[in-house]
Amino acid sequence: AQSVTQLGSHVSVSEGALVLLRCNYSSSVPPYLFWYVQYPNQGLQLLLKYTTGATLVKGINGFEAEFKKSETSFHLTKPSAHMSDAAEYFCAQSNFGNEKLTFGTGTRLTIIP
Amino acid sequence: NAGVTQTPKFQVLKTGQSMTLQCAQDMNHEYMSWYRQDPGMGLRLIHYSVGAGITDQGEVPNGYNVSRSTTEDFPLRLLSAAPSQTSVYFCASSYIRPGAGAEAFFGQGTRLTVV
Repeated sequence: AQSVTQLGSHVSVSEGALVLLRCNYSSSVPPYLFWYVQYPNQGLQLLLKYTTGATLVKGINGFEAEFKKSETSFHLTKPSAHMSDAAEYFCAQSNFGNEKLTFGTGTRLTIIP
Repeated sequence: NAGVTQTPKFQVLKTGQSMTLQCAQDMNHEYMSWYRQDPGMGLRLIHYSVGAGITDQGEVPNGYNVSRSTTEDFPLRLLSAAPSQTSVYFCASSYIRPGAGAEAFFGQGTRLTVV
């Protein structure tokens, strides 16, 4: 069974500092990987996704993630945090021919002024 | 430009009551799904559908029923609400394109409290 692990349920960074949110996946076949963001009292919005090809994926709002097969990781980064980045972030995976998404437990990002 | 619309946004039920959470999408997506979100547990799949007339169970289906009579609508029914079903419920839809890693579009959620 596939699973997604997000290390750190809460992460705090100072405004302007690097944001690093960690995600590891478990899949017996090449996965599709996603990062979603959830702002308070809202639904989830796609930040970026990896399917095939280039392993460094760029998304919206300056975020990017790198697929590392050897480490089974898909960590999310942003060079400089902004107050508007405060939200909950979810890593998710699916597989070829199966649209079901498996989510991690989420990481709440707090930005310190 | 509605996307995925969920109603109601908030609901309080008494134990044993029944209700239906509505979900509609206007993007002609084949795939629709229901998730529940609980603190520290992420989103867990309740039921999903790959097209009209086709539904299947997800990770946590007990206590919930679904049907898919049209492409647009995918209602979730609670037949006899229990306090353990207090949660935030999200409906999502996506197109099915094998190999494309389709993006899921989410509704705004329904916050359900069972007392």
